[in-house]
Amino acid sequence: GENVEQHPSTLSVQEGDSAVIKCTYSDSASNYFPWYKQELGKRPQLIIDIRSNVGEKKDQRIAVTLNKTAKHFSLHITETQPEDSAVYFCAARRNDMRFGAGTRLTVKP
Amino acid sequence: DSGVTQTPKHLITATGQRVTLRCSPRSGDLSVYWYQQSLDQGLQFLIQYYNGEERAKGNILERFSAQQFPDLHSELNLSSLELGDSALYFCASTTGESFLDYGYTFGSGTRLTVV
Repeated sequence: GENVEQHPSTLSVQEGDSAVIKCTYSDSASNYFPWYKQELGKRPQLIIDIRSNVGEKKDQRIAVTLNKTAKHFSLHITETQPEDSAVYFCAARRNDMRFGAGTRLTVKP
Repeated sequence: DSGVTQTPKHLITATGQRVTLRCSPRSGDLSVYWYQQSLDQGLQFLIQYYNGEERAKGNILERFSAQQFPDLHSELNLSSLELGDSALYFCASTTGESFLDYGYTFGSGTRLTVV
């Protein structure tokens, strides 16, 4: 089955800086790559996604890039704010969704 | 409110017991997925049902089972509970078949504590 690896496991940045989280996947047939944000004790919420026929997608301060050849995709958050602090999960989907282990992002004011 | 309803929100039970977690998908969604999230861990895929039939299985223990009923709600049964089964259990639903690219909508989860 699909195996998704996510790095780093923890990330601390200063408010206003950028944050980058990277994921790799193993199944070349995976065709959908969402990112989820999970605040403490709450459900994961979809923040952005990308499909395999797209290389980059942006939504305000958030962007995701996909390199199908290398089988990796990344989440970029610019102008970080304290409310961006959360655990972020990447996922890859072929028949079912497999998640990375998560990145705990802390944005220091 | 995501439209995916999970009950109960919290559950405390003793080792060796059996519990049932319930999930009602969003209106119109046919697929239900179950995930286990242990403390400070990622989301471990357990099982998927589509329109009443098991579609995919992940790292689900033999002590765990699930089903999806004709009204599309799903139940996850956990038996012979162990301390290590304490976790957040999420279900998620999507509209259609596995080959469609839809993001999950997660329920709020059931926090299971085994004492």
